[in-house]
Order: sequence, then structure tokens, then C-alpha cells
Amino acid sequence: DTEVTQTPKHLVMGMTNKKSLKCEQHMGHRAMYWYKQKAKKPPELMFVYSYEKLSINESVPSRFSPECPNSSLLNLHLHALQPEDSALYLCASSQLLGTAVGEQYFGPGTRLTVT
Amino acid sequence: EDQVTQSPEALRLQEGESSSLNCSYTVSGLRGLFWYRQDPGKGPEFLFTLYSAGEEKEKERLKATLTKKESFLHITAPKPEDSATYLCAARRAGGTSYGKLTFGQGTILTVHP
Repeated sequence: DTEVTQTPKHLVMGMTNKKSLKCEQHMGHRAMYWYKQKAKKPPELMFVYSYEKLSINESVPSRFSPECPNSSLLNLHLHALQPEDSALYLCASSQLLGTAVGEQYFGPGTRLTVT
Repeated sequence: EDQVTQSPEALRLQEGESSSLNCSYTVSGLRGLFWYRQDPGKGPEFLFTLYSAGEEKEKERLKATLTKKESFLHITAPKPEDSATYLCAARRAGGTSYGKLTFGQGTILTVHP
């Protein structure tokens, strides 16, 4: 099973709202990723968690706050977003053995619209 | 700086008309070249990983190959359901990179019946 699940599928939020995106995998992967994807562009890396610790933050604005409560779950907390933050948000996971990293498996994404 | 370039940007084929997509890369110490398929509004679907020049992998009508500078995704006798965006991504060596990928811009494939 190579399934990564994401909820919700769609989210519309105002600029003053607080919301969270959720991601779950049960493949035993110890690396998890958040990406942002705009139309007709490739995914753009935001954060990487390895062994439940934040390893990479690609200079993402603080209105995006990631959290990894355990090895299967990854959240992305959203606050005071801007309309230009509207995009498809993708979660991915990969096997991690020491520093050896497997291929990334992506979830279906959350389509976020900021009004 | 790592760079991945895909060509063509868009490719229109008739059903059964075989062709190839190209992915050229400049990555220091390649530790994997990945191909993904992405349907509109969905997450990328993993297809292949290639690690060394000369390596080939096949899945149904798709075959991926790798040289020291580029990778090809060959599509044999495509069907309309093969229509999608195909993404190529490269991963460099580095213990703290945790699998960070450099993506190409993608090739939009349309197969007409």
C-alpha cells in the first residue's frame, strides 16, 4: 500500500481565518513533506520532517506553521493567509533509513482558495 | 545550482503514435532520477526511479532510460488514458537534504483517439 491521504480535499478560507490541513500515511515512512503547487507549475517544496523533526524550511512565511505529531501524521496550520497563497497543497512521504531516502509518494492534495 | 529541464513543454499524439519525452539534468552527484505522472487537480503518481546511467525500467506502455546527462520516457502505442502531465525530478547526494527534489517544468501529453 502506497497511500498518502489528505483532508480536506477543498478548503475556502478568508484572510482572517485559521485552518489546518492534515496528512496521514501508514507506510512506516519517516520523512514527510509539504509542497505548494500553482497551476501549470511543478510542486514547490515548503517543509521536510525527518524522524518527526523539522529538517528543512524553504524560507516559508510564518503564516504557514507545520507540525508533525507522530510518525504517521503531518499538519499544516494556516493563519492570516493572502489570496496569492491559493494553490494545491500536497503532502508526500518517503522511506528513510539513516540518511538513505526512498522515492516520494504524494497524496491527492488539498485545493486551497483564500478569499 | 541543480537544474532539470524537460522538453517538449507539450506533446500531442494520435493514439498508437509512439514518442519520447526528454529530461536533461545538471545535478551534482545524482542520487536518483524520478518520473511522475500527474492528472489535473491531483497529486503526482510515482512511476520510476533510475539511479545509474544505462539503467532502464518499464511499466505497461512506458519505459524510462537514463544517461549521464538526460533521461527519456518512451511511450509505446499510447492510449487516450495516458494523457497527463509527466514530471521529471532529480535528487542530489547529501546527507541533510532528506530527499529534496529538483523538478522540471513538466511535459503535458495529450493523446487523441
